[in-house]
Amino acid sequence: GAVVSQHPSWVICKSGTSVKIECRSLDFQATTMFWYRQFPKQSLMLMATSNEGSKATYEQGVEKDKFLINHASLTLSTLTVTSAHPEDSSFYICSALPQRERYEQYFGPGTRLTVT
Amino acid sequence: LAKTTQPISMDSYEGQEVNITCSHNNIATNDYITWYQQFPSQGPRFIIQGYKTKVTNEVASLFIPADRKSSTLSLPRVSLSDTAVYYCLVGSNQAGTALIFGKGTTLSVSS
Repeated sequence: GAVVSQHPSWVICKSGTSVKIECRSLDFQATTMFWYRQFPKQSLMLMATSNEGSKATYEQGVEKDKFLINHASLTLSTLTVTSAHPEDSSFYICSALPQRERYEQYFGPGTRLTVT
Repeated sequence: LAKTTQPISMDSYEGQEVNITCSHNNIATNDYITWYQQFPSQGPRFIIQGYKTKVTNEVASLFIPADRKSSTLSLPRVSLSDTAVYYCLVGSNQAGTALIFGKGTTLSVSS
C-alpha cells in the first residue's frame, strides 16, 4: 500500500531555533501534500496545501513566514518551523495525495515537536 | 466543504458491533464520505470511503442512505485494539482537495 514517512518522528529544540520536518511518499508520486498540526486532545487542523513546484497555500491564521513549506519533488515536502516558540509545540502530520487517486489521502506517522 | 457532526464519544465491549453515525446535511453532489481512524501519537489511517448505498471492506462497512445526509460506520466485533478516534470527513472528489477534520468520535472498547 501507499506509505508516507516523516522525519524526524520527534524533535526537541530551543526557543528561537528552526526545525525542519520532512514528509516523503515512499512508493508513489504526490503532486499535492498537506500539512496539519494537532494539539493534545484536539482534532487535526489543516495548515497548508503544498503543490510540487509551486508556492504553498496557507490556511487563514497560519503565518507563511513562520511555517515555511517547500515541495521540491513529487515525493518530498518539507515544513520548516522558524524561530520556534513553546506555543509551536505540537504534533505535525503530513498527508500525500497520489496522482492517480481522486480523494484518498495517505498520512504520515507524525512528528512530535517540543520547543523548550 | 460540508460540515460533519459525530458523537463525541462511544463506549463498547469486545465482540460487539459498533455503529458510529455522522450527520452531513449540507453534503454536495460531488462529495464523497470517508472515515479515518487515529491512534494516539499516530497519523490517521484510512478505513473506508463511499458515495452512496453500502460499501464493505475487510475492516468495516459504510451505510449511506439515499439522501446522503448521514452515514454510519459499522465495525463488526470490535476488540480492544479498536479503541481510537474515528473521523468522518466529507469532501469533493476533485484531486488536490484538502481533508477538513471535525472533532471525531472517541471509541473506547473494554473487556
